[in-house]
Amino acid sequence: DTAVSQTPKYLVTQMGNDKSIKCEQNLGHDTMYWYKQDSKKFLKIMFSYNNKELIINETVPNRFSPKSPDKAHLNLHINSLELGDSAVYFCASSQGARVVETQYFGPGTRLLVL
Amino acid sequence: QQQVKQSPQSLIVQKGGISIINCAYENTAFDYFPWYQQFPGKGPALLIAIRPDVSEKKEGRFTISFNKSAKQFSLHIMDSQPGDSATYFCAASKESGYSTLTFGKGTMLLVSP
Repeated sequence: DTAVSQTPKYLVTQMGNDKSIKCEQNLGHDTMYWYKQDSKKFLKIMFSYNNKELIINETVPNRFSPKSPDKAHLNLHINSLELGDSAVYFCASSQGARVVETQYFGPGTRLLVL
Repeated sequence: QQQVKQSPQSLIVQKGGISIINCAYENTAFDYFPWYQQFPGKGPALLIAIRPDVSEKKEGRFTISFNKSAKQFSLHIMDSQPGDSATYFCAASKESGYSTLTFGKGTMLLVSP
């Protein structure tokens, strides 16, 4: 059973397009996250939701809009894609919102903007 | 501003050897220090974590050493195995509130057979 799943696994698109990445967790966790890992493997938090409520919003361009329809899902919509958005995007989840809660990461979505 | 500095960037160790990865942090408010392991094509996974009330934590072949006064912590992998070949990330955070993990830039470890 996949604990945290993401779709699609790969995404290749043209600059200026709008795309979405979906994330689902079957762990019964209350908190979900989006991370961005750049080409140098640097990993940085983008957003965090707890019980469908946004609790962390790092300095991310407003072209990125997360949406949590329920506790098990956290989607990421990106408008007007730019070359610099090319990266691997990881979804993660944890039982609670405290940072000491173990975060379980999905397999990642590799986004390439041409 | 990078608040967690990790070194080395890459490391090659022979099978059976000891792998050592070092991290230094700047924010004295940090009080939670996890290490994550990431295999190629996979997401990171929590390996081991430490709080500053202890100077060392061991889980199997993995040990975290913590030096609060120097604001440094390190991961030691004893009897390194080819299956340990992965990228390792240290991270740091304040434990309280809705804090976020600040990650180091990662160390790519290759354990040669």
